[in-house]
Amino acid sequence: AQTVTQSQPEMSVQEAETVTLSCTYDTSESDYYLFWYKQPPSRQMILVIRQEAYKQQNATENRFSVNFQKAAKSFSLKISDSQLGDAAMYFCAYRRVEYGNKLVFGAGTILRVKS
Amino acid sequence: GAGVSQSPRYKVAKRGQDVALRCDPISGHVSLFWYQQALGQGPEFLTYFQNEAQLDKSGLPSDRFFAERPEGSVSTLKIQRTQQEDSAVYLCASSRDIQGLYGYTFGSGTRLTVV
Repeated sequence: AQTVTQSQPEMSVQEAETVTLSCTYDTSESDYYLFWYKQPPSRQMILVIRQEAYKQQNATENRFSVNFQKAAKSFSLKISDSQLGDAAMYFCAYRRVEYGNKLVFGAGTILRVKS
Repeated sequence: GAGVSQSPRYKVAKRGQDVALRCDPISGHVSLFWYQQALGQGPEFLTYFQNEAQLDKSGLPSDRFFAERPEGSVSTLKIQRTQQEDSAVYLCASSRDIQGLYGYTFGSGTRLTVV
């Protein structure tokens, strides 16, 4: 079974600074998807960024980018120019390629942004 | 609708009571997932529907949990004889295709508290 590990229960960053959230996963599959989701107090999961394992290039979405190291099974999220609105719980998630397969989530990292 | 709607937003149930949680996905979305999120944890998969067919119910923790989606749109998660360990946020997610290529839209969840 696939597992996702987020080793940082909580992180803090100063506004306008950069922070990196860590995620490792375990799978025997060669192709899969990886995601970072943000969950604010409203509880709704919001997709931040998505990476397809067969793509070598790291995904980027505006201030958000990932460092995908397939051999090491590592998928970290870098947030640049942090904003107060970035404060939330962040979840790393894994999904197999086959349709209908569930998302497997890590335990999450609380990100606090200081002004 | 514009998003995934879940009701009620909060539910307090006495131990032993039956509850029904509703998910109204985005119109036309084929895939629908239910997740259970314990306090301070990542969501865990409960069950998956493709239209009205329940294709995966491997995550349902006991036979007290039952889900249905009879017409391929609205889904109901029913928990019979609730126990304290059932206290959690129940999240629903839908996607327009069976492969999830366009991502998943999550609702804001129902927070169930069993007293």
